[in-house]
Amino acid sequence: SYVLTQPPSVSVAPGKTARITCGGNNIGSKSVHWYQQKPGQAPVLVVYDDSDRPSGIPERFSGSNSGNTATLTISRVEAGDEADYYCQVWDSSSDHYVFGTGTKVTVL
Amino acid sequence: EVQLVESGGGLVQPGGSLRLSCAASGFTVTSNYMSWVRQAPGKGLEWVSILYSGGSTYYADSVKGRFTISRDNSKNTLYLQMNSLRAEDTAVYYCARARPSSGGGDSFDYWGQGTLVTVSS
Repeated sequence: SYVLTQPPSVSVAPGKTARITCGGNNIGSKSVHWYQQKPGQAPVLVVYDDSDRPSGIPERFSGSNSGNTATLTISRVEAGDEADYYCQVWDSSSDHYVFGTGTKVTVL
Repeated sequence: EVQLVESGGGLVQPGGSLRLSCAASGFTVTSNYMSWVRQAPGKGLEWVSILYSGGSTYYADSVKGRFTISRDNSKNTLYLQMNSLRAEDTAVYYCARARPSSGGGDSFDYWGQGTLVTVSS
């Protein structure tokens, strides 16, 4: 089965840039989506199709995808960005949806 | 406004059954791809099942043969029938609407608030 690997945690100072990676075999050939989940809340889609943002998501959230790594970038980090972040793809070989292991972003 | 409201969670003994419901508003369940995603306490997200608009269904290996996804068009509601429940099925279960992707892989653009299922004796 297809596996997506994320770093368990990322720490960043307010106003700086956070980069969260999502590793998978030839992930650059897939569409990658990213979710933000705050404690006790449902996930929220923040980036879809590698780099597009849903309505209402700040431009500070951006994404890229190439080779074996996709990246979610959060620019000018704010305290409110502290959350867990998950990447997700669809594995066409199994018709299964796959989530990454998740990354906890801590704002220092 | 799009809304998804889950219900039906609770405490069930190992080997027991439970049916979760997800009432949708602001869109038609029949015309969309609908999915269930779960999250065990303190753990990450795990995809469970999807029901495509055409009626095809797919399941995670961990639940295949035990869980059944379905919908009621008249009630605009998605269901998850869970049988032969195990302790490892304990989780918050979310229903989510899938947003078709131009690249051939859907994202989940709307989520319910989740319902907790606890499997324990």
